[in-house]
Amino acid sequence: AQTVTQSQPEMSVQEAETVTLSCTYDTSENNYYLFWYKQPPSRQMILVIRQEAYKQQNATENRFSVNFQKAAKSFSLKISDSQLGDTAMYFCALISGAGSYQLTFGKGTKLSVIP
Amino acid sequence: EAGVAQSPRYKIIEKRQSVAFWCNPISGHATLYWYQQILGQGPKLLIQFQNNGVVDDSQLPKDRFSAERLKGVDSTLKIQPAKLEDSAVYLCASSLVGGVGNQPQHFGDGTRLSIL
Repeated sequence: AQTVTQSQPEMSVQEAETVTLSCTYDTSENNYYLFWYKQPPSRQMILVIRQEAYKQQNATENRFSVNFQKAAKSFSLKISDSQLGDTAMYFCALISGAGSYQLTFGKGTKLSVIP
Repeated sequence: EAGVAQSPRYKIIEKRQSVAFWCNPISGHATLYWYQQILGQGPKLLIQFQNNGVVDDSQLPKDRFSAERLKGVDSTLKIQPAKLEDSAVYLCASSLVGGVGNQPQHFGDGTRLSIL
């Protein structure tokens, strides 16, 4: 079984500042992918960034970057220059080469960007 | 490209009634997923289709939930009879192929179901 744990239920950050959201995971597979999804109040889950486990280089997408620590099974998301539109729930998720490649989500972190 | 379409957006029913949700995936996406998202939690996979065949329904409460994907395109998810604990957002997602990481899942806006 694979698990994803997000230990920060809520976080806040001042506009233009940097914030880091934490995520740890567990899987017995060697081939897996990690994701961060954003879910604004509109409810649509939007893919923010993804990381392939076999790539050592951390993924970046504009203001979003990850710190992937494979040995520690840690996958944190850094948001730079936070904007009001970043206010949302953020979910860490894992998909691995086990069975039906099920996408497993954490419980989420509610991020509030304060003007 | 058009995204994943879901309807209705909201539904309120009484317990023991039945309800159905509809999903139209992104054109060309072979794989379709239904998730249940209870308030305060991450989505949980209920069922995964590859074209019109079921790949994984291990977490689907089959005594009350059913889903079908006729012709490998649109899908419906039904609950009969509904229980109070079924109150949740039901999300539909699709991907080009079955769930590998380089083919990310695209989500619809979801249906919020409230059971009275």
